[in-house]
Amino acid sequence: IQMTQSPSLLSASVGDRVTLSCKAGQNINNYLAWYQQKLGEAPKLLIYNANSLQTGIPSRFSGSGSGTDFTLTISSLQPEDVATYFCQQYYSGYTFGAGTKLELK
Amino acid sequence: EVQLVESGGGLVQPGRSLKLSCAASGFTFSNYYMAWVRQAPKKGLEWVATISTSGSRTYYPDSVKGRFTISRDNAKSSLYLQMNSLKSEDTATYYCARHTSTTHFDYWGQGVMVTVSS
Repeated sequence: IQMTQSPSLLSASVGDRVTLSCKAGQNINNYLAWYQQKLGEAPKLLIYNANSLQTGIPSRFSGSGSGTDFTLTISSLQPEDVATYFCQQYYSGYTFGAGTKLELK
Repeated sequence: EVQLVESGGGLVQPGRSLKLSCAASGFTFSNYYMAWVRQAPKKGLEWVATISTSGSRTYYPDSVKGRFTISRDNAKSSLYLQMNSLKSEDTATYYCARHTSTTHFDYWGQGVMVTVSS
């Protein structure tokens, strides 16, 4: 199942509300996770089952969507949120999107 | 605290073999499915293999099926990836990950680099 993320690069200011998109090539129900990967680090799980916040992740992160269209929202962007964000489906096999790189404006 | 520490990476010639290891701690290793996920330089993530809690079931994508073998030793809390017939396109950082309920990957190691080149 192909996963398409947009935009590939996003510039935003501290305090902005940021929205990242992930589209699945077919219906995946809510079998979707979001990961954050900072430069030189391993990915970190943020969201699973499309909208469940992983333990220890700040509440400014939230996920929504079902079927083919999904969104990761950061309610108030912080400097430490600069990273690349990947979505992953687990409806059939396991595939990741190409990522959205989030930088500060 | 969950910790996953990979080892065994390096430079290897095309067609040769390499075995990666992952030492797990901070959780009951035998209760969890485990997986390997790789990331080619400046590229996205690709799932490579998953193994069941007992090791009796393994899963692979077509890109590595027949060449890679995932295994585990629950007594040692260790995960392995035997990679045979390596190709240049296998060059990547390989991450060991806990594969919760065969859905998402909730903990990741720091990764180990594998370079396939002559």
